[in-house]
Amino acid sequence: KAGVTQTPRYLIKTRGQQVTLSCSPISGHRSVSWYQQTPGQGLQFLFEYFSETQRNKGNFPGRFSGRQFSNSRSEMNVSTLELGDSALYLCASSLAGVEEQYFGPGTRLTVT
Amino acid sequence: KQEVTQIPAALSVPEGENLVLNCSFTDSAIYNLQWFRQDPGKGLTSLLLIQSSQREQTSGRLNASLDKSSGRSTLYIAASQPGDSATYLCAVPPGMDAGNMLTFGGGTRLMVKP
Repeated sequence: KAGVTQTPRYLIKTRGQQVTLSCSPISGHRSVSWYQQTPGQGLQFLFEYFSETQRNKGNFPGRFSGRQFSNSRSEMNVSTLELGDSALYLCASSLAGVEEQYFGPGTRLTVT
Repeated sequence: KQEVTQIPAALSVPEGENLVLNCSFTDSAIYNLQWFRQDPGKGLTSLLLIQSSQREQTSGRLNASLDKSSGRSTLYIAASQPGDSATYLCAVPPGMDAGNMLTFGGGTRLMVKP
């Protein structure tokens, strides 16, 4: 069974630009969560989508947004990029509720 | 607000040693606890999931225990190998009906020397 996939794997953007990251969950999984990982802050929860609805949201500014499609694939968007947005962005999927989560390989975003 | 702490932050051991990684959490009302491994620059690999009703979970050379009342979990690695070198993270969700927003510890960076 295929794992969680994320595209692209690497991105370099300039301050002020916007970026869209994509996550395809494991087949049959309906919950997709997004996390930001930085050396200073560690892993921080961004948001979770379940059945196309945002179920939880972390403490991030409104520049960070996401959505989920009917096939459970999810995208996250960051607008007006700042240098501090440079991070590894990870998505995780699970069946539905509070079960074991499976992570993708991440997207490394560098903002210059 | 749930806080998760992992001690030690870094650990270096010779190959073959048995070792214990510690994870503590402030709110004992957890539904489960998950241990992950992360290799440099890579995603997280799930190692073990312990439900709140369980005391232990084992997978190969790994054994994880959970003591909800004291807010602690330990990951025991037997007969460590250089391939075990990675960062180990523990994480807890807020509760049964609160979805999948995991709170992570800061991780323990493990180096196993040949």
